[in-house]
Amino acid sequence: GEDVEQSLFLSVREGDSSVINCTYTDSSSTYLYWYKQEPGAGLQLLTYIFSNMDMKQDQRLTVLLNKKDKHLSLRIADTQTGDSAIYFCAESYGGSQGNLIFGKGTKLSVKP
Amino acid sequence: GAVVSQHPSWVICKSGTSVKIECRSLDFQATTMFWYRQFPKQSLMLMATSNEGSKATYEQGVEKDKFLINHASLTLSTLTVTSAHPEDSSFYICSARAPRIQAGYEQYFGPGTRLTVT
Repeated sequence: GEDVEQSLFLSVREGDSSVINCTYTDSSSTYLYWYKQEPGAGLQLLTYIFSNMDMKQDQRLTVLLNKKDKHLSLRIADTQTGDSAIYFCAESYGGSQGNLIFGKGTKLSVKP
Repeated sequence: GAVVSQHPSWVICKSGTSVKIECRSLDFQATTMFWYRQFPKQSLMLMATSNEGSKATYEQGVEKDKFLINHASLTLSTLTVTSAHPEDSSFYICSARAPRIQAGYEQYFGPGTRLTVT
């Protein structure tokens, strides 16, 4: 079945770049998403990429997609302490319903 | 735009009672809403998909008689946890699918409801 894998933890220093990686299994996924979850809160959609794209940049965020390896990454430039959160990778499946499968989330800790 | 609210944000109830959680799309109409459950330090697990005016579709292993879902209007879906037990304690998150606001089938998430059953 479908599966989304992420590393569980990442620790960086303030000002450095963070790279969060994700692998997925469903080659028919149309969209791939990155969500951010702060403690005790719901999920905030950060960015998404269409499956026929290789890269998407949005301010400090850069998403890279390697369709051959089914690998997705999120790069956060100039990481700030406010970026500390859990980041979830998700792929869409299920045709018109657009259901999502989430990875377990990567906890990003930013040290001052 | 694309704001989803949940009410209540947290609730404590006694074992055996029922609890209703509301999910509202505030500035758009959502024909499809989703209910997720999240255990501590775990990912989101989809419980059910709720379509306005029809019965919800439950994921395998989710008891439909225990988790009652009603999607009565294009802006409101409710999840009722019936005869709650301590093992039902969890963080429940809803999302609403926005009709191609940007692209694709984007889901916008509510802030979640923390349920504690004593």
